Amino acid sequence: QVQLQESGPGLVKPSQTLSLTCTVSGGSISSGSYYWSWIRQPAGKGLEWIGRIYTSGSTNYNPSLKSRVTISVDTSKNQFSLKLSSVTAADTAVYYCAYGSGNFDYWGQGTLVTVSS
Amino acid sequence: EIVLTQSPGTLSLSPGERATLSCRASQSVSSSYLAWYQQKPGQAPRLLIYGASSRATGIPDRFSGSGSGTDFTLTISRLEPEDFAVYYCQQYGSSPRITFGQGTRLEIK
Repeated sequence: QVQLQESGPGLVKPSQTLSLTCTVSGGSISSGSYYWSWIRQPAGKGLEWIGRIYTSGSTNYNPSLKSRVTISVDTSKNQFSLKLSSVTAADTAVYYCAYGSGNFDYWGQGTLVTVSS
Repeated sequence: EIVLTQSPGTLSLSPGERATLSCRASQSVSSSYLAWYQQKPGQAPRLLIYGASSRATGIPDRFSGSGSGTDFTLTISRLEPEDFAVYYCQQYGSSPRITFGQGTRLEIK
């Protein structure tokens, strides 16, 4: 069974770039026809899809975040990554990586990122 | 963008009762690309239903999904203590924009 694990700094300063990595184990990130996604959830609130990368390398982003988001994949490390630039306090949330063919079959445990000076 | 509206916001029921959760879309969801998730405090969401009515692997048959177009329902036939959680619907038919409903909190009465 595929497992996902998020990693990255838990604290980011305003205006800086948030960078997270999702490490995939139990399967190859480059096999099958799946989307590898990032989703976030502010404390006590609902889920917001950030974007995804397909096994071919093509990407789709939430239009509301598109200007600040980059998702990339490193098949040699079986990882995919998220970069979110020019962060503000509104970007404070638990960030999840997940994968599936449209829905999200499997999720990482999530990592809390706080934006604060 | 397809907006998903879940109702009720909070549902208070007792173990053994039947739960009916609603998810209404602002536009038709193509090919029933509608999923349901369960989230417990401190945990990641868990996929329950995909394709509007197909149960994910390992999901008990007391969970069922139905609906098409703009109206979808998640039914839990007989509530177990572990079913009290927050439930989200998600549409993935309006590519590339994926959206979630705001959630329904199922609490013990």
